[in-house]
Amino acid sequence: DSGVTQTPKHLITATGQRVTLRCSPRSGDLSVYWYQQSLDQGLQFLIQYYNGEERAKGNILERFSAQQFPDLHSELNLSSLELGDSALYFCASSALGNTIYFGEGSWLTVV
Amino acid sequence: QQQVKQSPQSLIVQKGGIPIINCAYENTAFDYFPWYQQFPGKGPALLIAIRPDVSEKKEGRFTISFNKSAKQFSLHIMDSQPGDSATYFCAAGEGAQKLVFGQGTRLTINP
Repeated sequence: DSGVTQTPKHLITATGQRVTLRCSPRSGDLSVYWYQQSLDQGLQFLIQYYNGEERAKGNILERFSAQQFPDLHSELNLSSLELGDSALYFCASSALGNTIYFGEGSWLTVV
Repeated sequence: QQQVKQSPQSLIVQKGGIPIINCAYENTAFDYFPWYQQFPGKGPALLIAIRPDVSEKKEGRFTISFNKSAKQFSLHIMDSQPGDSATYFCAAGEGAQKLVFGQGTRLTINP
């Protein structure tokens, strides 16, 4: 168990809908990352937050947004969902300068 | 320059064999090279990592070989076991947090 908690584990929703994925980082970790994993794209970095502030941005679509709250948990919001957004979404956390630890992911299926 | 190319995509080895997975990077600023192991339904977990000041690092049955001039690094698994069957990801980055991942290698160890 990495200590990173993600909810929900599985989610099925329709095209055009909006969903929110939640992540609680490991105790003491100030950095939170979001990654998308699909069969043909591998692990794609979406965005990083550090202590509530956006630190780095990767291949995140404009339809997606994230935030990190004062208690350090993070949410990834996915809107106007398309079939191609079906993927496994990972949250990860780290202490500054240290190894990234991944949660077990949230499976999103868009139908 | 941000790509990390990983090969092979899949690999089947008999128990006791030595699977080798290779990665190549382009960005000479990268200074941290981890390998992650992912089992089905789980998040990637850090297996072993190396920095460019050494050419080899061993942890148990897992060895990273690093060739700075060629900008390549590889993972060797000694005395492989069926329990090692998983997907392996190499990554590279400037520090432990800014990681670019390879596409993954699905490893199967046959009994």
